[in-house]
Amino acid sequence: DVKVTQSSRYLVKRTGEKVFLECVQDMDHENMFWYRQDPGLGLRLIYFSYDVKMKEKGDIPEGYSVSREKKERFSLILESASTNQTSMYLCASRATVTTNQPQHFGDGTRLSIL
Amino acid sequence: SQQGEEDPQALSIQEGENATMNCSYKTSINNLQWYRQNSGRGLVHLILIRSNEREKHSGRLRVTLDTSKKSSSLLITASRAADTASYFCAFSGYSTLTFGKGTMLLVSP
Repeated sequence: DVKVTQSSRYLVKRTGEKVFLECVQDMDHENMFWYRQDPGLGLRLIYFSYDVKMKEKGDIPEGYSVSREKKERFSLILESASTNQTSMYLCASRATVTTNQPQHFGDGTRLSIL
Repeated sequence: SQQGEEDPQALSIQEGENATMNCSYKTSINNLQWYRQNSGRGLVHLILIRSNEREKHSGRLRVTLDTSKKSSSLLITASRAADTASYFCAFSGYSTLTFGKGTMLLVSP
């Protein structure tokens, strides 16, 4: 089974801090994704990556950046955290770029910005 | 991108009953997928139906797709308390998925 591991289940940070959310997958998947999930809004795509050192903006990239230096690891960075970035963050991976394959999700990081 | 719409937003049934959830979308798609999310956890892939398919089964799950109406439905037969979760449809364009807002299903013993 594919395992997608997010480094923290819960995280509390302060406004203005630089925040790193880490995600690791163990199945040599090419594609990785970061979503945020908010009540009433569902899942929204922040950034995704087709392969190492590649990144594409999703629907809501403002205030975020990403890093993919190794195939198994995809990091989401909040450059200067703000309270409106309080949310559940979900990482996912997919074997290849073809969309006829499922995405595999981690258990999420619930991030609170105070 | 435009999110899908799911209906109903919440559904409460008894064990043994069937649960039907619907999803509508606005763009052309390559496929449509359904995911389940247990409280506080990540999403788990349930089933994928391609745009040229009309119906697909997996265990107690039946998914239909009507591309002319841009809609899909997920039927869970003989529901169990363990089916309590949120269910999301996700439709696929070229490379990414767009998720609906989900249906919360509560199955009471």
